[in-house]
Amino acid sequence: NAGVTQTPKFQVLKTGQSMTLQCAQDMNHNSMYWYRQDPGMGLRLIYYSASEGTTDKGEVPNGYNVSRLNKREFSLRLESAAPSQTSVYFCASSEYPSGRARKTQYFGPGTRLLVL
Amino acid sequence: EDKVVQSPLSLVVHEGDTVTLNCSYEVTNFRSLLWYKQEKKAPTFLFMLTSSGIEKKSGRLSSILDKKELFSILNITATQTGDSAVYLCAVEAVAGDMRFGAGTRLTVKP
Repeated sequence: NAGVTQTPKFQVLKTGQSMTLQCAQDMNHNSMYWYRQDPGMGLRLIYYSASEGTTDKGEVPNGYNVSRLNKREFSLRLESAAPSQTSVYFCASSEYPSGRARKTQYFGPGTRLLVL
Repeated sequence: EDKVVQSPLSLVVHEGDTVTLNCSYEVTNFRSLLWYKQEKKAPTFLFMLTSSGIEKKSGRLSSILDKKELFSILNITATQTGDSAVYLCAVEAVAGDMRFGAGTRLTVKP
């Protein structure tokens, strides 16, 4: 199993450009997440998808959109990139939150984005 | 507003020392608390805690949750240089969203 994969690994954008970060998982997980990580601020949730067909805003959704394309894939789109979106982006997936089911969140390797 | 606060922000110890990392939280509709270790890249899962007073252990690491006082601790005994990392605490709400603390950077010196 590849686990959680993300593409690209690194991207440089100019202010105003758009791009989509791709994430895929092969663990048959229902839930998927997008985070950004900035120095000294830990991980902040952008959007999450509790199950296929649903998406919800997290802590910092402004400037982003997401698509849960199918159970495997969850993409993050920046329509008009801004320097404040320079960050490391992590995708994660986990088993569906249900009752006492053990829920472990697996992270992808991250995408480093620089917006000039 | 939901928040997760970790302390200390950084910690430097010597090999063999025991450390305690703290995580306090205020989250609406708490579901679980998770601890992660982050070295150079993606965080890796350590523990998930849902019930108060039940200690989770994995080798030299252990963690416990107090849902009444809204905090958790992560203990590492007999620290090794390989324990050097950022330790992240996250709290999950019933709705499924996750809130992370800023992390504790642990440095273990030989």
